[in-house]
Amino acid sequence: AQSVAQPEDQVNVAEGNPLTVKCTYSVSGNPYLFWYVQYPNRGLQFLLKYITGDNLVKGSYGFEAEFNKSQTSFHLKKPSALVSDSALYFCAVRPLQTGANNLFFGTGTRLTVIP
Amino acid sequence: GAGVSQSPRYKVAKRGQDVALRCDPISGHVSLFWYQQALGQGPEFLTYFQNEAQLDKSGLPSDRFFAERPEGSVSTLKIQRTQQEDSAVYLCASSLANFDSLWSMPPQYFGPGTRLTVT
Repeated sequence: AQSVAQPEDQVNVAEGNPLTVKCTYSVSGNPYLFWYVQYPNRGLQFLLKYITGDNLVKGSYGFEAEFNKSQTSFHLKKPSALVSDSALYFCAVRPLQTGANNLFFGTGTRLTVIP
Repeated sequence: GAGVSQSPRYKVAKRGQDVALRCDPISGHVSLFWYQQALGQGPEFLTYFQNEAQLDKSGLPSDRFFAERPEGSVSTLKIQRTQQEDSAVYLCASSLANFDSLWSMPPQYFGPGTRLTVT
């Protein structure tokens, strides 16, 4: 079975401070990992992905994520939060096996950046 | 360029009615996905097309749900005899390449969704 867990429903951070949104995963084999962001009344937007290679992945809007195989985590990070980063963030996983086409999403973490 | 579009954006149906939800993917995108997002939850996979072929429908919750993509572009998700538990946002996503490729993981581009409310 494959799944992702986002242990925090809500994360609050002051503007300019670093932010972390947590994600842990459970898959058979090596995972493909993704982060998406959802703004109100807009579709999910792709931020970044990890397939293989460097454990630190850089993505859109200054976000990055660190893949940690031993801790089965893929936490989303940004060095300096902006008010405009306030949104709903989803971690997702696709197992590395032929025929597994779908993404498994976490329940989401609402990030609020306080001015 | 234009993104994934979905229509209608909002749909209210009385229990027992049939509904049809439309998805226009990004032009040239081979893969198309439907997801269901209940309130406060992450999207859950329903079905997947590669061109006109429906390769995976394992996520469809019942035989009341039916999806098609007859010409390999526009897709329709149909729900027959709607029930209150069908109330959710239905998301469509498209992707450029063959999703089975192990080393090309093109991102899925999502539409804004159709919010279905069954009363």
